[in-house]
Amino acid sequence: QQPVQSPQAVILREGEDAVINCSSSKALYSVHWYRQKHGEAPVFLMILLKGGEQKGHDKISASFNEKKQQSSLYLTASQLSYSGTYFCGTDSGAGSYQLTFGKGTKLSVIP
Amino acid sequence: DTAVSQTPKYLVTQMGNDKSIKCEQNLGHDTMYWYKQDSKKFLKIMFSYNNKELIINETVPNRFSPKSPDKAHLNLHINSLELGDSAVYFCASSQGGLPESYEQYFGPGTRLTVT
Repeated sequence: QQPVQSPQAVILREGEDAVINCSSSKALYSVHWYRQKHGEAPVFLMILLKGGEQKGHDKISASFNEKKQQSSLYLTASQLSYSGTYFCGTDSGAGSYQLTFGKGTKLSVIP
Repeated sequence: DTAVSQTPKYLVTQMGNDKSIKCEQNLGHDTMYWYKQDSKKFLKIMFSYNNKELIINETVPNRFSPKSPDKAHLNLHINSLELGDSAVYFCASSQGGLPESYEQYFGPGTRLTVT
């Protein structure tokens, strides 16, 4: 079942922060985050595993609440390069190799 | 140096035709995938191959068939193309095995337009 992302779209000014949420009605083994810029392929950001730690990558970090079956992506002090569509992909079982992606959150960072 | 490559980049064809999209990865990965991204940007997995075995087969029409001649290649064949097949098709690969290795590398995509 497809995870639900919110918000669907957000506009930020450079330097502002944003949070993108991803929730699932199924128990999750892992949550994957990808960013896709217009006309390009999705690019991996990070994986959060069940029982794992919160991840960080430069000023982008994420958390995974297993009990609530939710993950949040935090973008701090946004830069123009952060613009794009962010997808969360959920994996309900180890070894399944199957990611089900949400509909995406379009993030636009303006000067 | 390209990690995951796809050909062609653009494909315009008429309804009823048969076409193929090729994918190659030089990362030494064990698992390859095909995704379809529609006009609303919804990214949906179609197939995946692990060590030459089909391990996922989503509910896609049987007009679509993946073929993997070896671990580095996963081609997508589409028969009797329909208007609804118009989309961007992405190939991807991952190491598989341990969950930490599930990072997927996507190819540049093939934009298929059926007229």
